[in-house]
Amino acid sequence: AQKVTQAQTEISVVEKEDVTLDCVYETRDTTYYLFWYKQPPSGELVFLIRRNSFDEQNEISGRYSWNFQKSTSSFNFTITASQVVDSAVYFCALSSFPASGTYKYIFGTGTRLKVLA
Amino acid sequence: NAGVMQNPRHLVRRRGQEARLRCSPMKGHSHVYWYRQLPEEGLKFMVYLQKENIIDESGMPKERFSAEFPKEGPSILRIQQVVRGDSAAYFCASTTGSGTTDTQYFGPGTRLTVL
Repeated sequence: AQKVTQAQTEISVVEKEDVTLDCVYETRDTTYYLFWYKQPPSGELVFLIRRNSFDEQNEISGRYSWNFQKSTSSFNFTITASQVVDSAVYFCALSSFPASGTYKYIFGTGTRLKVLA
Repeated sequence: NAGVMQNPRHLVRRRGQEARLRCSPMKGHSHVYWYRQLPEEGLKFMVYLQKENIIDESGMPKERFSAEFPKEGPSILRIQQVVRGDSAAYFCASTTGSGTTDTQYFGPGTRLTVL
């Protein structure tokens, strides 16, 4: 079975602090994709990153960075020098290569990040 | 290049009425996924459609829910005889359908409230 676990329900930090959001996944597939999406208070889903299972290089995009560790089945997301505008719910998701051909996403329950001024 | 469009953004229905949610995929995208987000939860897959075809509806409730994606026009998610438990945000996502390399791009969602 496929599963995504985001154990942190809610995190509060003070502006300019660094924060890491954890994501642990389960899948039996050898080919899969991992994603992070941001859901600001307005409610839409904003795509942040996609990572495939064969690429374990860490990625950095501005203040955002992602750490993919196959050995621990984790795909953690770090925001450096957080800002109030980072306040949102962040979702980690998994998609694999199923025999059915349906690349549905399996979402975690999300982590609500509150950045306080 | 317009993104995925959903309408209405907010929909209020009384118990027993029908709800029709519309999704227009991104230009060039011919595959649509529908997800449901219950309050304080993550998104759950409902159905996957290509033009004129339902490919996977394993996440759809067996009764009252249906989906279509006609050759022309938006994809429609229909909920008949709504109940309070149907109150949720419904998101659609579209892809080109080329396979595993696709990223699903999500619409802004429709928030359904059942009174």
